[in-house]
Amino acid sequence: DGGITQSPKYLFRKEGQNVTLSCEQNLNHDAMYWYRQDPGQGLRLIYYSQIVNDFQKGDIAEGYSVSREKKESFPLTVTSAQKNPTAFYLCASSRQWGNYGYTFGSGTRLTVV
Amino acid sequence: AQRVTQPEKLLSVFKGAPVELKCNYSYSGSPELFWYVQYSRQRLQLLLRHISRESIKGFTADLNKGETSFHLKKPFAQEEDSAMYYCALGGQGFSFIFGKGTRLLVKP
Repeated sequence: DGGITQSPKYLFRKEGQNVTLSCEQNLNHDAMYWYRQDPGQGLRLIYYSQIVNDFQKGDIAEGYSVSREKKESFPLTVTSAQKNPTAFYLCASSRQWGNYGYTFGSGTRLTVV
Repeated sequence: AQRVTQPEKLLSVFKGAPVELKCNYSYSGSPELFWYVQYSRQRLQLLLRHISRESIKGFTADLNKGETSFHLKKPFAQEEDSAMYYCALGGQGFSFIFGKGTRLLVKP
């Protein structure tokens, strides 16, 4: 069953903590993306990766970090520097960057407590 | 700069009424336009892409380059169409840009 899996579904973070959101795909896609979804804001691009061991900042990368050590995996770390981390985070992948056949994960809702 | 505008945050219609969800874009190159839909508690999924010129679940969308629009239309709304709809723009050298979304509510 091919797809893209995000975990956990819900995550609670204390002020000052870093947390890492997992995104795994078995679609053999080269490109992966992280978006943040806020009510009334739509989806905003945090980071993207065109290929293994390469990633680029999106529109709202401040306070976030990523790695792409394996083709299947693109974890997102929300650092304590992110001022307003409470949001819904969506991971996506596509066969190639610039190919817009995106497949989305089911999302992780992060709440700062 | 590239931009996608969905002017309505919420569109409320009665079942059986026509629906038009507006999307305007700003891009000087050759655009690729898409509509994505997110039903309650489900993941975001592709509804339409302009190059396929197909009808999905009764929805159609036509790219109007003169008006830089890609409005989503359905002649007779169904209650199961209630969802969040996002217009998205793709092009040369950038990742998808999404609009802020329009929530469609179809009342019985």
